[in-house]
Amino acid sequence: ETGVTQSPTHLIKTRGQQVTLRCSSQSGHNTVSWYQQALGQGPQFIFQYYREEENGRGNFPPRFSGLQFPNYSSELNVNALELDDSALYLCASSLDAGYEQYFGPGTRLTVT
Amino acid sequence: QKEVEQDPGPLSVPEGAIVSLNCTYSNSAFQYFMWYRQYSRKGPELLMYTYSSGNKEDGRFTAQVDKSSKYISLFIRDSQPSDSATYLCAMTNQAGTALIFGKGTTLSVSS
Repeated sequence: ETGVTQSPTHLIKTRGQQVTLRCSSQSGHNTVSWYQQALGQGPQFIFQYYREEENGRGNFPPRFSGLQFPNYSSELNVNALELDDSALYLCASSLDAGYEQYFGPGTRLTVT
Repeated sequence: QKEVEQDPGPLSVPEGAIVSLNCTYSNSAFQYFMWYRQYSRKGPELLMYTYSSGNKEDGRFTAQVDKSSKYISLFIRDSQPSDSATYLCAMTNQAGTALIFGKGTTLSVSS
C-alpha cells in the first residue's frame, strides 16, 4: 500500500509570486484535504476535494485554490504570495470524505 | 476562546513514566476524536481515533473521551525515548470534513 506523497519537499518563493504544490493520495482513497501548519501551531484546514469537487473550505482567501484529478491526486495553488504564507503545507487523504485522514510529509514553503 | 485548547508544554519525563496528554474543546458537535504524533519537520501520523465518549486502548496507548466535560486524553504507558515528539489532538463533527487541531504538546522522554 502506497502512502500519501507530496512534492516538492521544500520551496522558496518571493512575495507576489504564485506556487503549485502537489499531492498523491494513499491507494484506495478518493478524498484529499489540504492543511497549513505555521511554526508552533496545529494544522489549519484549507479545503477538501472529494471526487474532483470541493467539499468544504476553511477560512482562507480565494487566492488559495485547488484541483483534484481523476486519479484522486491533487494540487494546491496559492497566488500573490505573502510573507505569512510561509508554513508547512500538508495533504491528507481519506476514503469517502471520512474523518480518518492520513497525512503526507508536507511541503515546506518559505516566502521571502 | 479557541475551539480546541491544548497545553503546548514542553513536557519532560523519564523513560518508563506514564504520560498524560489532554485537550479541551468548546464545540459540542464534535463526534470524532483523533490523536496524531508528529516528529520534527515531518507530517502528522495518526495514532488513534475514537467515536463519541469512552475509552480505546492500543498497545501502550489509551485514548479517553468525556463529552460531558468536553475533555479528551491520551495516556502513554512505559514511555520510550522514541515517543519524543509533538502530540496533536484533532476532532471533527459528523460530516468529518475538516479536522480541527490543537496546537500540540511537545513531549521529551529521557533515557
